Amino acid sequence: GAVVSQHPSRVICKSGTSVKIECRSLDFQATTMFWYRQFPKQSLMLMATSNEGSKATYEQGVEKDKFLINHASLTLSTLTVTSAHPEDSSFYICSAKGQPSGGETQYFGPGTRLLVL
Amino acid sequence: GEDVEQSLFLSVREGDSSVINCTYTDSSSTYLYWYKQEPGAGLQLLTYIFSNMDMKQDQRLTVLLNKKDKHLSLRIADTQTGDSAIYFCAESRPGGFKTIFGAGTRLFVKA
Repeated sequence: GAVVSQHPSRVICKSGTSVKIECRSLDFQATTMFWYRQFPKQSLMLMATSNEGSKATYEQGVEKDKFLINHASLTLSTLTVTSAHPEDSSFYICSAKGQPSGGETQYFGPGTRLLVL
Repeated sequence: GEDVEQSLFLSVREGDSSVINCTYTDSSSTYLYWYKQEPGAGLQLLTYIFSNMDMKQDQRLTVLLNKKDKHLSLRIADTQTGDSAIYFCAESRPGGFKTIFGAGTRLFVKA
């Protein structure tokens, strides 16, 4: 099946710093990428949807200036958590869909665990 | 609005069959998915079914769809301890609409 990678898998940072998370589709062109946040023992919360070459669409309640998303190419999207605070600590998961992997099917990355001290 | 509901917890004995149920509200759903999430990992696509199908079987996995009742189920035959995970049901439709996920069912397999 289609493979999506994320880097880093785990990051610990100090409060006030910015953290960048990369999401790559390794064997298909991702026309659309999604960023989710997952709290312990809870479901996925969609943060934003990005299409290659255009601005991301953020879900209600998600601050676009705090969570910067760039989808610069058909295989790479980045999420930057700016001025991170302890409440931003969470598990961030990206997913991607596109051709020729499967059209509407989303393939997920392994997730990035962020801990802000 | 769209909604996907699942029971939160299921416990079975090793070797038994597991049945995880899901209901959805969007009658225009076209694609229905089952994802598996192991601790500390992302979501792994297990299987999916198109809305014009009633059943799909893939080795130990059987998906049943009752479109009239908007009910989807995942049956895992001969459940193993390695099947312990959270299983997410999801639905989507083409045209740029969001994929809607359920809250996940935590499957616990007792040896």
